[in-house]
Amino acid sequence: GEDVEQSLFLSVREGDSSVINCTYTDSSSTYLYWYKQEPGAGLQLLTYIFSNMDMKQDQRLTVLLNKKDKHLSLRIADTQTGDSAIYFCAEIGSSNTGKLIFGQGTTLQVKP
Amino acid sequence: KAGVTQTPRYLIKTRGQQVTLSCSPISGHRSVSWYQQTPGQGLQFLFEYFSETQRNKGNFPGRFSGRQFSNSRSEMNVSTLELGDSALYLCASSLDLGPLRFFGQGTRLTVV
Repeated sequence: GEDVEQSLFLSVREGDSSVINCTYTDSSSTYLYWYKQEPGAGLQLLTYIFSNMDMKQDQRLTVLLNKKDKHLSLRIADTQTGDSAIYFCAEIGSSNTGKLIFGQGTTLQVKP
Repeated sequence: KAGVTQTPRYLIKTRGQQVTLSCSPISGHRSVSWYQQTPGQGLQFLFEYFSETQRNKGNFPGRFSGRQFSNSRSEMNVSTLELGDSALYLCASSLDLGPLRFFGQGTRLTVV
């Protein structure tokens, strides 16, 4: 079935780069997403990548997609304390588009 | 441009009661999806509506239902509330099957 896995926790120092990893099982995924959730808030769409792309860069964010290994990563350059949040990886499942399959979320802690 | 609006933001209900949550999508968006977020199960897909029709449904009991109106606003209803229904309910809006899916701030439901 469709499944998305993420590591649960990452701690970095302010100014360092953060890399959050995600693996997925659905080889028919069309889009893959990264969302950010701050305490008490909804989900903020950070970026997404189409499945035929290898990389996408958007300011401090770089998304890498290895479709062969079904591995997605999000790199945040020059991580700031304001980046502390939970980051969710998600895919559009193949069985029915419109339904997002989410990972468990990675809590990013940024230490000053 | 206004974002996705969910009302109310917080609700406290008693077991056995029913509840209705509302979601107004971004202007021009015709697809609305609902998700339940709990610490134990993470983010799970409830259902998706497009042009007043339910297009997709997740694996939830029949106590969970929804509908969409001609102006694309959507409501979800949970009847005979159980303690386990306590969760953050998130709504996402999109144009149609395009990649961009934007979430509201959510409704925090507490069942006591």
